Amino acid sequence: KAGVTQTPRYLIKTRGQQVTLSCSPISGHRSVSWYQQTPGQGLQFLFEYFSETQRNKGNFPGRFSGRQFSNSRSEMNVSTLELGDSALYLCASSAGQGISETQYFGPGTRLLVL
Amino acid sequence: AQTVTQSQPEMSVQEAETVTLSCTYDTSESDYYLFWYKQPPSRQMILVIRQEAYKQQNATENRFSVNFQKAAKSFSLKISDSQLGDAAMYFCAYRSQFFGNEKLTFGTGTRLTIIP
Repeated sequence: KAGVTQTPRYLIKTRGQQVTLSCSPISGHRSVSWYQQTPGQGLQFLFEYFSETQRNKGNFPGRFSGRQFSNSRSEMNVSTLELGDSALYLCASSAGQGISETQYFGPGTRLLVL
Repeated sequence: AQTVTQSQPEMSVQEAETVTLSCTYDTSESDYYLFWYKQPPSRQMILVIRQEAYKQQNATENRFSVNFQKAAKSFSLKISDSQLGDAAMYFCAYRSQFFGNEKLTFGTGTRLTIIP
């Protein structure tokens, strides 16, 4: 099975712009979670989608949003970018239908905001 | 809210030797899941090992094993016969027992260096 894929891998934006990141889960997985990784804050949970519905949400401002499509692919959008949004954004997938499942991560999208 | 603490920012070990990485956590839940993930320079997070809190037996995966002490809320990772490819950041992570709660809470990580 192919692993979790994320596009693009690298992105440079300027303050005030918006950005959309994409994540394709492992085939058959219906849950997609997003994490932000920065040197200062470490790994922080953004949100999780299951069957096109947001099931969990972390403590991030409303500028961070996401969605999931019927094929389980997910997108994350950040509007009005700030310098502090520079980070590695990781996506993880799991089957999402049981409590004992493991999340498998993609390679991440590195976002730089100038 | 659950918290995960990794008190060793950096560790180093001689190749072929054994090293133990520490992790403690805080939770009021009785059942949960614990994980160790490895993040090499490529930044890809790779699952190393997982432990279900209801299982008393410590998990083992080849050269990797854990020492799970539920009462002490401790979950350490032992790497035996260390190899150069083990060099990476290691993150301890907690996941709630509740169905539908996929959120992982991570520690701050331990950077492991392997000395040839």
